[in-house]
Amino acid sequence: QVQLVESGGGLVKPGGSLRLSCAASGFTFSDYYMSWIRQAPGKGLEWVSYISSSSSYTNYADSVKGRFTISRDNAKNSLYLQMNSLRAEDTAVYYCARVGQTAAFDIWGQGTMVTVSS
Amino acid sequence: VIWMTQSPSLLSASTGDRVTISCRMSQGISSYLAWYQQKPGKAPELLIYAASTLQSGVPSRFSGSGSGTDFTLTISCLQSEDFATYYCQQYYSFPRTFGQGTKVEIK
Repeated sequence: QVQLVESGGGLVKPGGSLRLSCAASGFTFSDYYMSWIRQAPGKGLEWVSYISSSSSYTNYADSVKGRFTISRDNAKNSLYLQMNSLRAEDTAVYYCARVGQTAAFDIWGQGTMVTVSS
Repeated sequence: VIWMTQSPSLLSASTGDRVTISCRMSQGISSYLAWYQQKPGKAPELLIYAASTLQSGVPSRFSGSGSGTDFTLTISCLQSEDFATYYCQQYYSFPRTFGQGTKVEIK
């Protein structure tokens, strides 16, 4: 079935780096735009980044611009988020989500927790 | 940036009630609005897109309305599985933004 599975979360010190991965299955990954969305503990949803199907277009929230990089490998059906210069306020569950044909986020992964703490 | 005001933040209701959640935009977004449901410890799920179109598999007791700046999610007859947090989200422009969320709890 259609599925997204994130991995790569964990505990990292402030200023450190982490790379998240999202494995897609059950659909033609290369046909879809993808996005990362995060949720700090007990808080609401915050959109983080967006990438077109061919990687030609990317977009970022101001809060992560210059520190995070979104990428994808269509041959591996995988989405990535390289996170550098991490801060305590980046602590959150990170979800990858498919951008549906309607442009809403129609499929979500189960999330991976990132904790930034010394 | 398009700011979104979602209300109420907390809604206490009983099974069988009709409930309404509001989402107001800081500028017009036509019908580029989605609603999501999130249960504790789970990922959000898409309920409605294009302001009023039900995602496949979503029960018909859910409905959405509005365009421009004012939108509404209605649950016509609240069921036990509907107690959750609901978010609106605009996809008219970047950055994509979400409402603050409405927690629907058992009265």
